[in-house]
Amino acid sequence: GQQLNQSPQSMFIQEGEDVSMNCTSSSIFNTWLWYKQDPGEGPVLLIALYKAGELTSNGRLTAQFGITRKDSFLNISASIPSDVGIYFCAQGGGADGLTFGKGTHLIIQP
Amino acid sequence: GAVVSQHPSRVICKSGTSVKIECRSLDFQATTMFWYRQFPKQSLMLMATSNEGSKATYEQGVEKDKFLINHASLTLSTLTVTSAHPEDSSFYICSAPDFLGQETQYFGPGTRLLVL
Repeated sequence: GQQLNQSPQSMFIQEGEDVSMNCTSSSIFNTWLWYKQDPGEGPVLLIALYKAGELTSNGRLTAQFGITRKDSFLNISASIPSDVGIYFCAQGGGADGLTFGKGTHLIIQP
Repeated sequence: GAVVSQHPSRVICKSGTSVKIECRSLDFQATTMFWYRQFPKQSLMLMATSNEGSKATYEQGVEKDKFLINHASLTLSTLTVTSAHPEDSSFYICSAPDFLGQETQYFGPGTRLLVL
């Protein structure tokens, strides 16, 4: 089945630093989704990408859909304490539900 | 964005009992909803697809007789964990697709199940 490889698994950064994480897929899909999950809550959609090469921003977040359609990255600029959480890439949709990456745990050091 | 709710938010039950979890789309209709399970420090894994007016479809390895799904209306899907065991303890999350298409999913807040 489809596999999503997400890296890094965790990041320890200082407040104010920029963050970058990425996902690669073994298959080609038409959508890349990025979610954030806070402890004890459901994932919240951050950015949805629908076209190869697409670059989309949402505030301090920027994500791109790779031109090969097998990869995507998410950048967070000037991190703040509330950015702490788990970030997931996901693919799929339609009638098949979503496949999630293993997540990137973002930890901001004081 | 679309709002999806779940009830209860957390439940503790004894081994052998059954637990029902509700998932509601609050401001839109969803002919399809999805149920995921998430173990601690792991990712979300799709369990099943709930279809309004027809049987649910289950992912490989998910027992349909243990995890009963009923999509009673266009805004409600229920997941019943039957004869729960401690290994069923997990975070259960439902989602519904964007009413403009199905590529994006909106998730409920999750239900924490602890089976003693």
